[in-house]
Amino acid sequence: ILNVEQSPQSLHVQEGDSTNFTCSFPSSNFYALHWYRWETAKSPEALFVMTLNGDEKKKGRISATLNTKEGYSYLYIKGSQPEDSATYLCAFDYGQNFVFGPGTRLSVLP
Amino acid sequence: DTEVTQTPKHLVMGMTNKKSLKCEQHMGHRAMYWYKQKAKKPPELMFVYSYEKLSINESVPSRFSPECPNSSLLNLHLHALQPEDSALYLCASSQEGTGRTPYGYTFGSGTRLTVV
Repeated sequence: ILNVEQSPQSLHVQEGDSTNFTCSFPSSNFYALHWYRWETAKSPEALFVMTLNGDEKKKGRISATLNTKEGYSYLYIKGSQPEDSATYLCAFDYGQNFVFGPGTRLSVLP
Repeated sequence: DTEVTQTPKHLVMGMTNKKSLKCEQHMGHRAMYWYKQKAKKPPELMFVYSYEKLSINESVPSRFSPECPNSSLLNLHLHALQPEDSALYLCASSQEGTGRTPYGYTFGSGTRLTVV
């Protein structure tokens, strides 16, 4: 059974704060690590697909890093805004399929 | 068109009913997926179709029956469901024809199913 963990489970921050959360995954059979943002009543939206150890990707105020040797990825949000409130899911792609983590629920308070 | 469209958005059905969920994409993606998501849990894979052929069935009970009539359509036929089958059913597609998804999945917004 492949275990993908995310921490924290939920997070409340003030508008303007920077924040980060973690995805842990198996360090073997790695193909890719995906990050998704899932707002309530909407479709999960792909943020990043990361494949190489040491990868860093950025999209506006959101960035992510990847360490495949130790099996973790960080997602950073700089200057959080209320519209960043969502559940952030990571998914471990082992080549045959995905395993999703349980998600981090972020609430940004104005 | 860069969307995955799922219908209906909400469905309430009795345990003796037969209903179908529909998923459609026109991005030319070669793999399509059904996921089940219960509250506060991650999405769980049910089925994968790759090039219109069923490639993965994650030991899903036979009361769920997938169908891929063509490369753009994916159905999930439901029959004799139980109340514990109530969940959000998500459809997704990916460009590649296998589980490898270098560009990520495109998800629909889901069908909220309630079995009474």
